[in-house]
Amino acid sequence: KAGVTQTPRYLIKTRGQQVTLSCSPISGHRSVSWYQQTPGQGLQFLFEYFSETQRNKGNFPGRFSGRQFSNSRSEMNVSTLELGDSALYLCASSLGTGDYGYTFGSGTRLTVV
Amino acid sequence: AQTVTQSQPEMSVQEAETVTLSCTYDTSESDYYLFWYKQPPSRQMILVIRQEAYKQQNATENRFSVNFQKAAKSFSLKISDSQLGDAAMYFCAYRAFNSGGGADGLTFGKGTHLIIQP
Repeated sequence: KAGVTQTPRYLIKTRGQQVTLSCSPISGHRSVSWYQQTPGQGLQFLFEYFSETQRNKGNFPGRFSGRQFSNSRSEMNVSTLELGDSALYLCASSLGTGDYGYTFGSGTRLTVV
Repeated sequence: AQTVTQSQPEMSVQEAETVTLSCTYDTSESDYYLFWYKQPPSRQMILVIRQEAYKQQNATENRFSVNFQKAAKSFSLKISDSQLGDAAMYFCAYRAFNSGGGADGLTFGKGTHLIIQP
């Protein structure tokens, strides 16, 4: 079966712009989580959605937001981009919000110039 | 707040040898999960092995096994018969249950870069 699909793979944006990243989970998975990976801060949890509701949120400013659609696909939005938002953004899906294992996508590499 | 520490930024091992990657964590929770993920250059995080904190038996997946010491808050990964395909970044991660019946997001360590020498 198809894995977790993230689009686009690469993205270059200008400081001050906004960006939307997309994640399609594995069929049947209802939970989608987002992580930011940078060389300095490592991997950090952004938020988790389950059944179109945000269930958990990491320690990120309000410029970072997300949503989940009825088909479980999720989007992440970053407004007023800063240079420090340059990162690999990873999406992961799982059956539920409990102890189920995550399956990660290959990420979207965002570069802010 | 929970923290995960991987004290070895880089490890090198000869092909077919055994290597152990270290991980310690800090938590006040009693119910949680621990994971080892592998991230090759393709960037995709791949689950290697997981351990439920309530289980005393160490998890094993083929050539990969863990040494889980709950009291010491230690969770090391042993890779036996190392193969060239094992070369990657390895991340230790922690996930606690929350009061809502679900689980928190993963807390990751900084990673260990594993090099396999042919």
